Amino acid sequence: GENVEQHPSTLSVQEGDSAVIKCTYSDSASNYFPWYKQELGKRPQLIIDIRSNVGEKKDQRIAVTLNKTAKHFSLHITETQPEDSAVYFCAACQTGANNLFFGTGTRLTVIP
Amino acid sequence: EAGVAQSPRYKIIEKRQSVAFWCNPISGHATLYWYQQILGQGPKLLIQFQNNGVVDDSQLPKDRFSAERLKGVDSTLKIQPAKLEDSAVYLCASSAYLGENTEAFFGQGTRLTVV
Repeated sequence: GENVEQHPSTLSVQEGDSAVIKCTYSDSASNYFPWYKQELGKRPQLIIDIRSNVGEKKDQRIAVTLNKTAKHFSLHITETQPEDSAVYFCAACQTGANNLFFGTGTRLTVIP
Repeated sequence: EAGVAQSPRYKIIEKRQSVAFWCNPISGHATLYWYQQILGQGPKLLIQFQNNGVVDDSQLPKDRFSAERLKGVDSTLKIQPAKLEDSAVYLCASSAYLGENTEAFFGQGTRLTVV
């Protein structure tokens, strides 16, 4: 199956700074890459996603980039706020198979 | 729309006992996933159903774990017998299909503690 690696495992930033989380995947057939945010004790929730025919996607302070050749994708959060503190998971999916494999997670702490 | 429902929310059992978790996906979602999330780690896919058929169970420890999805709707995940290392949150998720502007929706999870 797909193997998704995620770095860093923990990340602390000052409020207002940017945060970047990076993931790599192994299966070249993966073509859909969602990012989930999980707050303490809560369920993972989708925050942004990108398909393989797109190199970059932005939604307000959140952006995701994809390099399909290198099999890596990244999450960028600008102007971080304390409410951005959570665990973020990247995932890779083959839309035909509808599978969904997660990375190991990054615990982001935004320091006020 | 109603979300993915899971029960129980919490369960404490002794090792070697049995336990079962229940999941009711979002109505109309053909795909159902069970994940195991050990504290501090990412969700690990245990099994994926498409309707009532198994698509992927390669990471399911079949000597002790079993799952079924009767009639392609609700699903149960069973552990028999449980080991200490099975302590984790068991997440159920469902999706119609995955792609841009769609997503997999997760339940609240069942936190299992094996003592």
